[in-house]
Amino acid sequence: DAGVIQSPRHEVTEMGQEVTLRCKPISGHDYLFWYRQTMMRGLELLIYFNNNVPIDDSGMPEDRFSAKMPNASFSTLKIQPSEPRDSAVYFCASSRQGVQPQHFGDGTRLSIL
Amino acid sequence: DQQVKQNSPSLSVQEGRISILNCDYTNSMFDYFLWYKKYPAEGPTFLISISSIKDKNEDGRFTVFLNKSAKHLSLHIVPSQPGDSAVYFCAASLYSGGGADGLTFGKGTHLIIQP
Repeated sequence: DAGVIQSPRHEVTEMGQEVTLRCKPISGHDYLFWYRQTMMRGLELLIYFNNNVPIDDSGMPEDRFSAKMPNASFSTLKIQPSEPRDSAVYFCASSRQGVQPQHFGDGTRLSIL
Repeated sequence: DQQVKQNSPSLSVQEGRISILNCDYTNSMFDYFLWYKKYPAEGPTFLISISSIKDKNEDGRFTVFLNKSAKHLSLHIVPSQPGDSAVYFCAASLYSGGGADGLTFGKGTHLIIQP
């Protein structure tokens, strides 16, 4: 079975550029989560969707961050404009309604120069 | 304010011995607890979980213990094997029914199994 697929695996870009991270959840999963991992704060939840609808975006750090889920098989996390402090590993995870656990993708390592 | 704490950044254990990883939490509303294992350049992989109505859950070499009154859980690995060397994350959820909310993670413990 295909797991959660994230792209790109690595992204290096200059400050001020727009960055788009992509995620394909496991087929049949109703929930999709975006997490960010940094040395200082560890793994923290940014936003999550249920049936393509954003439910809780209280973890999104600033208005520069936005996330969408246009359909059940695709989600994006955008940063515009990007800043060096956004450098982190971004993980996407999905789960099925009523069933733990969440399954994680392998992450996107983002470096903003 | 960290709601889930793993106070040992690293732990070294000899192969064949028991590894014990600890986790403390502050939010008494947490209902479900999970342990994830993570290798470099990979995403966290689910290992074992426990609901707040239980105090122990076992799966092969892995056992998780929950002490609700102390707000403490631990993961025991017996016997420890070289492939167990990884970073272990403790996570907590407000709901045991899946989805419903995100996970709150500890900062992880790097387990090193010495041959």
